[in-house]
This record gives sequence, C-alpha cells and structure tokens, in this order.
Amino acid sequence: AQRVTQPEKLLSVFKGAPVELKCNYSYSGSPELFWYVQYSRQRLQLLLRHISRESIKGFTADLNKGETSFHLKKPFAQEEDSAMYYCALPTGGGNKLTFGTGTQLKVEL
Amino acid sequence: DGGITQSPKYLFRKEGQNVTLSCEQNLNHDAMYWYRQDPGQGLRLIYYSQIVNDFQKGDIAEGYSVSREKKESFPLTVTSAQKNPTAFYLCASSIRGTSGRGQETQYFGPGTRLLVL
Repeated sequence: AQRVTQPEKLLSVFKGAPVELKCNYSYSGSPELFWYVQYSRQRLQLLLRHISRESIKGFTADLNKGETSFHLKKPFAQEEDSAMYYCALPTGGGNKLTFGTGTQLKVEL
Repeated sequence: DGGITQSPKYLFRKEGQNVTLSCEQNLNHDAMYWYRQDPGQGLRLIYYSQIVNDFQKGDIAEGYSVSREKKESFPLTVTSAQKNPTAFYLCASSIRGTSGRGQETQYFGPGTRLLVL
C-alpha cells in the first residue's frame, strides 16, 4: 500500500541554519511526489513537485528511489519558513493524494 | 485565493445533530475533495468527486455524506453517526479528477473548524 512517512513532528532550527525535512514513501512504480505547506493563518498550498525539478522559496527536493525518500531541503532557513509541511504522493488512481502526518518547522532567531 | 471558499469558518454541533459544511469553487475545476485534519494525523481523505453527479468514498467516509449536484459545489454533511467529528475540515479542488497526464495540483480552501457542544 502507498504510504508516506514524515518521522519528525517538530523541527526547530536557527535562522541561517540548513533545513532538511524528511519524507519517506512506499510506492510500487515511479511516484510523483509533492510538498505542500501551510503557513500560519494561510491555506494549505503546493510548495513544489518533484517532476518540475524547480526550487521554490529556496527549497529543493530530490527523489531518491534507492532510499525511497523525498526530503525537502533549504541551505539557509529564514524566519518566514516557519510553517507546517506535508509530503504527499498519489494513491489509488484518479487524482487522490495520500499525505504524511506533517512536520512543523520552527525557525528561531 | 478566493477561488475556493468554505463556510462557515467555525461550526458547532450538538449531540445527535447533522451539520453541513459548504465548499464552493469558481475555478471551473472538475474534481473536488474533502479532507479531515487532526493534530498528529495529517490530512485524511473523506470523500472525493471527479466529476459532477459522481463521488467516491475516501479513507474515512463513515459518518459523512456528500453530494455533487453542481460543478461549483461539494457540500459535506457530518452525520450523527460520526462519533468524533471535532476536527478541521479542508475542501480542495483540481482541474481534473484523473491523472492521465500527471498528477494535478490540488487547491485548498481556508477550512472549517467543527466543534461539538
């Protein structure tokens, strides 16, 4: 069964420090993975998708099929990066997504 | 941002009462979704609809019902059978409900927080 695991509920880093939000998945086939973000008092929104291979707000994520991971990385954390981050992958056909349990990122000054 | 609206922002339910959460979109999207968000559990899919007049159960459909009579609207009813309804409910939509040409981005509403009195 398709599954997404985000092992950290909370990740706290200092401003300027590197950030890595972990995401591991189980999926048969070639997955298309996503990171969604929810800033305080804002809607959940797409941050990036691995297929586009782009960097959004300084974040990147590389699909590692060998390790079945899709970790989200940023070299220098900013205060405005504080948010809840969800990793997601397609499941069960159609356009459905399975979300991980989320990681709350807190960037401290 | 105003493409998907949810109302009300807060909703209170009494024991044994059915309540309906509204979700409307003006994005001309075919597909719509309802998720439940609980602390530590992420988002779980309740129901989804790929096209008007059609919908399917998600992972946690028990105690919920939906309708999709119009493309723009996908209301969710939380019935008295749902024993633990207190949660944050998110509605989303995507251009298509099928992923034949890659997964479509889902766009989310602002959410409705349901509380039980």
